[in-house]
This record gives sequence, C-alpha cells and structure tokens, in this order.
Amino acid sequence: DAKTTQPTSMDCAEGRAANLPCNHSTISGNEYVYWYRQIHSQGPQYIIHGLKNNETNEMASLIITEDRKSSTLILPHATLRDTAVYYCIVRVEYSGGGADGLTFGKGTHLIIQP
Amino acid sequence: EPEVTQTPSHQVTQMGQEVILRCVPISNHLYFYWYRQILGQKVEFLVSFYNNEISEKSEIFDDQFSVERPDGSNFTLKIRSTKLEDSAMYFCASRPNPDTQYFGPGTRLTVL
Repeated sequence: DAKTTQPTSMDCAEGRAANLPCNHSTISGNEYVYWYRQIHSQGPQYIIHGLKNNETNEMASLIITEDRKSSTLILPHATLRDTAVYYCIVRVEYSGGGADGLTFGKGTHLIIQP
Repeated sequence: EPEVTQTPSHQVTQMGQEVILRCVPISNHLYFYWYRQILGQKVEFLVSFYNNEISEKSEIFDDQFSVERPDGSNFTLKIRSTKLEDSAMYFCASRPNPDTQYFGPGTRLTVL
C-alpha cells in the first residue's frame, strides 16, 4: 500500500548537496509531502513538509514538481552527520485529533562519504 | 530545545512478563503516539492518544497492549505478557497542533 517510491540507497560526498528523490504519482489534492529521517538507532526526526510550493527551512529544501507526482529533498551541504535513512511520507495534514499515525516505508539510506 | 524523553533506554525481560515503557512528551503537546521498529525493519505505528483516549490503533496493537497517561507528564505503553516477537525499539512521539511529530530516543525491549 506504499504511496511513495524511493531509491534504496544513495551516496553523496561530504560538503556537496544531497538530492533525494521521491515519487508519489497517486498523491491526492489535499495530501502533503513529509520528510523524516532516522539516524542509526535513534528516533525519527522531522525535516520538512509541503503541499505544492517549494519549502525551505534550516535543515533542508523541498522541491515539489508542478504536477505534484514527485519531489526532491535537498540537503545543501551534506555532512557526515546527515548519514541516515530518509523517509518520504504522503499524507493529509492533521490539525486536530484522529487517525494520524505515520506510515513509514523503507526509505532511502543516504551515506555521506568523507 | 524541548525533547521527548523515554525510559528505560534498554529493557530486558522474560517471555510472559509484563513491561511498562515510559515516555515524557513535550510539555505543551496534546497528541501522543507509540511506534515500534523490529531490528532491520520499518518503523510501525502502534497507537495514537488524545484527550485521554485512544484515537487510532493499528492491527499490531492487540489486547496485550495498553496505553495510559497516568498524570500530566507521563505517557506509558504496557505490554501485558511479552512474547519473543515483541523485541523491538519502541518510540514515543508527541505533537502540538499543527501536525509535526517529535520522536523520543526509543526504548530497546529485549524479550528472552
């Protein structure tokens, strides 16, 4: 029942931009794209989310295609500490209570090479 | 920066024993969650909790599991009679309104 498709793994050189793709061709009009990451043996960490406009925060940028069928998470200057599994999750943005457990896929294992 | 905390970091128990995993969510958050991750597998949603009741639970969250918010700060997950297959990392999460879930560092549960 995966709503997203991500590469299993990627490498990136330290200091370079890491670009992580995600395909979500069946995304609905009210569904957002969320990105979380999980550094080895730690709890998942929220990175960024967006609906249709590109978003940027202190951690990353999120580029969503005009048709919203795919997106790219960009870590502008990757460091060794960015080595982690990155999860792209498509879901409605919940502002109240209710059914809002996150569904994690297998994600992309990003390895930053020194 | 406020964080979700969990205790203990590692719990070892015998099969059939009861365990209680503890979480202290971020203080002004209203929504609470438990997830688990079996070694090498995906993070799986267990249950969400709001306004002192369960909002949603997954198929994994059967009668052996229960959650409680016994006071204004703690949020607990109880497994009544542990099985070998309950061995996993258990993550607590909380969120304010709007929706961004903040995860704790996890409790590693080992059932022998």
